[in-house]
Amino acid sequence: KNEVEQSPQNLTAQEGEFITINCSYSVGISALHWLQQHPGGGIVSLFMLSSGKKKHGRLIATINIQEKHSSLHITASHPRDSAVYICAAPMGGATNKLIFGTGTLLAVQP
Amino acid sequence: SAVISQKPSRDICQRGTSLTIQCQVDSQVTMMFWYRQQPGQSLTLIATANQGSEATYESGFVIDKFPISRPNLTFSTLTVSNMSPEDSSIYLCSVGGLAGGNNEQFFGPGTRLTVL
Repeated sequence: KNEVEQSPQNLTAQEGEFITINCSYSVGISALHWLQQHPGGGIVSLFMLSSGKKKHGRLIATINIQEKHSSLHITASHPRDSAVYICAAPMGGATNKLIFGTGTLLAVQP
Repeated sequence: SAVISQKPSRDICQRGTSLTIQCQVDSQVTMMFWYRQQPGQSLTLIATANQGSEATYESGFVIDKFPISRPNLTFSTLTVSNMSPEDSSIYLCSVGGLAGGNNEQFFGPGTRLTVL
C-alpha cells in the first residue's frame, strides 16, 4: 500500500468547473506538498501546508492533519490547468525527502 | 524561491553509453536531491547529493549505476551509467533548505532521457 494516495487518478472537466483532487497519507507528516507537472515533465511547487488552508489565485489547498487528508481545489478551471497534480509528503524526521502520490491527470476541455 | 536549470533538457542515447545530467541553482542550498520518474509512474528518490562527500542512495540505487557529484552548494551532476532502455525516464533534481526558507522543495525542469 502506497503511503500517499490520490484520487481520482484521471479527471476530465469542462472549462469553468470547480475541481477537487484528494490526497490521503498514512505517515505522520510535518507538511504536505502539492505539485504540478506539465507534459514536458517540469514540476512546479504549488503549495506546502501544514495546517488549515492556503490560497493562490484560483488554487486552494486544505489539509486536515488529524484525518491525514488534503485536498486541492481549482476554481473556474481553464484548459491551461491541464496537467498532472501530485501530492507529496516528507519521508519522516526533519528531512526534505518526499514520498509522492501517483498523481492525478487533469484535462480541462474548452 | 530558487531557480533551477538542468542540462540537457532531453537526450536520446544508445544502450551501453553514459549520460551526465547537470543541475544548477541560482542560490546556495543545503539539500539537493535527484529523482527518477519512469513512464507512467510517480517520482522516486534516487539519492541525496551531499556537498563535499558521497551521495546518500535510496534502496535500489547504487553509486556505480548513478554516480553523483556535488562540488559546491549550487551545482550537482547525476550520471546514468551503462544505460539500458529501462533507464528511459525523466530525471529531476530538486533543492531544499534555502537560506531563510522553510522545508519547501523546488524542482528543476527535468531531463527526458530515451535509451534505444
